[in-house]
Amino acid sequence: DAMVIQNPRYQVTQFGKPVTLSCSQTLNHNVMYWYQQKSSQAPKLLFHYYDKDFNNEADTPDNFQSRRPNTSFCFLDIRSPGLGDAAMYLCATSRGRLADQETQYFGPGTRLLVL
Amino acid sequence: AQTVTQSQPEMSVQEAETVTLSCTYDTSENNYYLFWYKQPPSRQMILVIRQEAYKQQNATENRFSVNFQKAAKSFSLKISDSQLGDTAMYFCAFVSGTYKYIFGTGTRLKVLA
Repeated sequence: DAMVIQNPRYQVTQFGKPVTLSCSQTLNHNVMYWYQQKSSQAPKLLFHYYDKDFNNEADTPDNFQSRRPNTSFCFLDIRSPGLGDAAMYLCATSRGRLADQETQYFGPGTRLLVL
Repeated sequence: AQTVTQSQPEMSVQEAETVTLSCTYDTSENNYYLFWYKQPPSRQMILVIRQEAYKQQNATENRFSVNFQKAAKSFSLKISDSQLGDTAMYFCAFVSGTYKYIFGTGTRLKVLA
């Protein structure tokens, strides 16, 4: 089955220690998104890639970076995690950004704990 | 600014009964899409149902259906014959012309045995 996969499902890191979360997709979608979701809140978009074109949200902290080496993979790098970065991180994909291509499909998420 | 409002933070329903979750939105756009997503505890967010604004017919997916009232900017989700597996957080989302979803704050639904 075509899907969005996130690894690891749970990640524990130390305050200030860089961490990388990964996402892969078999849907062959052009767009990949990273969201941060804190407990019982709606997901908050951090950034997205349209193909190789990176699009950062205005309020995404500089501490968060992303890489997309190819169509299938996308990484979220947190350079110096703080306690406030503990959250669920969701990866999503969509076929495109135009009408009728905008439905997003989510991965299972990576829960990040910062000690 | 476009907004999505889910006015029911929590709801509960008895198994096999019907429940309706409300969602209202505000936009000046004429063409847009609306979605309901389900997020079970500690599990993946999955698409429940999708509605195109230009379609007058309400979308249905098995036990899930929507009541889309474009003039009133209302998009409620009806779950019929509720099952224990329907227990989840439900998010209403809106998108128009761009990639960016506008999410509501969610409704936590608990199905009681």
